[in-house]
Amino acid sequence: AQSVTQLGSHVSVSEGALVLLRCNYSSSVPPYLFWYVQYPNQGLQLLLKYTSAATLVKGINGFEAEFKKSETSFHLTKPSAHMSDAAEYFCAVSGSSNTGKLIFGQGTTLQVKP
Amino acid sequence: DGGITQSPKYLFRKEGQNVTLSCEQNLNHDAMYWYRQDPGQGLRLIYYSQIVNDFQKGDIAEGYSVSREKKESFPLTVTSAQKNPTAFYLCASSYSGRTEAFFGQGTRLTVV
Repeated sequence: AQSVTQLGSHVSVSEGALVLLRCNYSSSVPPYLFWYVQYPNQGLQLLLKYTSAATLVKGINGFEAEFKKSETSFHLTKPSAHMSDAAEYFCAVSGSSNTGKLIFGQGTTLQVKP
Repeated sequence: DGGITQSPKYLFRKEGQNVTLSCEQNLNHDAMYWYRQDPGQGLRLIYYSQIVNDFQKGDIAEGYSVSREKKESFPLTVTSAQKNPTAFYLCASSYSGRTEAFFGQGTRLTVV
């Protein structure tokens, strides 16, 4: 079975500081991994995805994530936080079947302080 | 523009009533999904459909029903059997297989 754990339900950084949001996964098959962002009262927007190609994945808005099989991790980073990055972030893993179902973590709320 | 449209954005339901949430997509995706979002619990899968006239239960299907009569449409009915329906409901769609899902803007359902 697949599962996702996001460490830290709330993360607070200063504007211009490094953003690091942690995601660990469990998967019985080689995983496909995704990061989504959600602004208040809106749907989810895909930031980036890992589908077994390059282990360092670049996404939109300056975000990137590195797949580390040995650590079963897929942490999301951004070198310099902007106020507009304040949102909720979800890590997800694709299920082992070929259905396209995604299993989501609990989410991490990112606060950016001026 | 291609995308997923959910309606209404806000919905109020009296206890004991059934309500139907609409989800339409024009992305030509085969698969469609309904997720429920509660604070601090992430997204939980209610139902999904990979093809017209076929759908499967997700992790929390009790008290919900769906239909898939057209490729573009996947409405969700929240029945009176759902004991705690107040939540944010998200519809998504994707191509077949292990790929990313695209999400609608959500419907916030409140029981009054």
